[in-house]
Amino acid sequence: TQLLEQSPQFLSIQEGENLTVYCNSSSVFSSLQWYRQEPGEGPVLLVTVVTGGEVKKLKRLTFQFGDARKDSSLHITAAQPGDTGLYLCAGARNSGNTPLVFGKGTRLSVIA
Amino acid sequence: SQTIHQWPATLVQPVGSPLSLECTVEGTSNPNLYWYRQAAGRGLQLLFYSVGIGQISSEVPQNLSASRPQDRQFILSSKKLLLSDSSFYLCAWGVGGYGYTFGSGTRLTVV
Repeated sequence: TQLLEQSPQFLSIQEGENLTVYCNSSSVFSSLQWYRQEPGEGPVLLVTVVTGGEVKKLKRLTFQFGDARKDSSLHITAAQPGDTGLYLCAGARNSGNTPLVFGKGTRLSVIA
Repeated sequence: SQTIHQWPATLVQPVGSPLSLECTVEGTSNPNLYWYRQAAGRGLQLLFYSVGIGQISSEVPQNLSASRPQDRQFILSSKKLLLSDSSFYLCAWGVGGYGYTFGSGTRLTVV
């Protein structure tokens, strides 16, 4: 059973369009993170959200943590080809040493 | 600042040969260390993690093993590689609530 479900699995859009990807679970997480990964490289941490309902912005990227801390969304405004990559969400089940739980990712392709 | 080094970047090994992938972290003490495997650009499968020297937790029983001989060194090994071991292997350090820093990965192809 996959604890974190990401949707959609694949997304191909034109440059300038807006998009939202989702990360859902039936479990509560103490925090949730988003990573972006480019081919042949390791994932890079974009943001960590901790409080239910929290919204964080990183330039054109807006991250939201659900009120119940079971889900999260990533919204990209005016997507650019440089946004292309695999977006992974990961949840921390506690603040200790328990490893993160990763979703399977959303592969985004932004076409110029 | 903290950095993580993982090598080699690519590796082609014959079936039945041994494997040793090394990961080292600089700039921090007693880091939590992780080995992940990733198939074809998809999600990450946790293989092993370690919270201290000599402490290894295995998440998936398989043809691989891990060791932590020094505080900031984490090694992934196999005595005899299988074709199914071909994958992208990632090392990471960090604490769950604060996020992980990943190495650049090793692309292993078993032929």
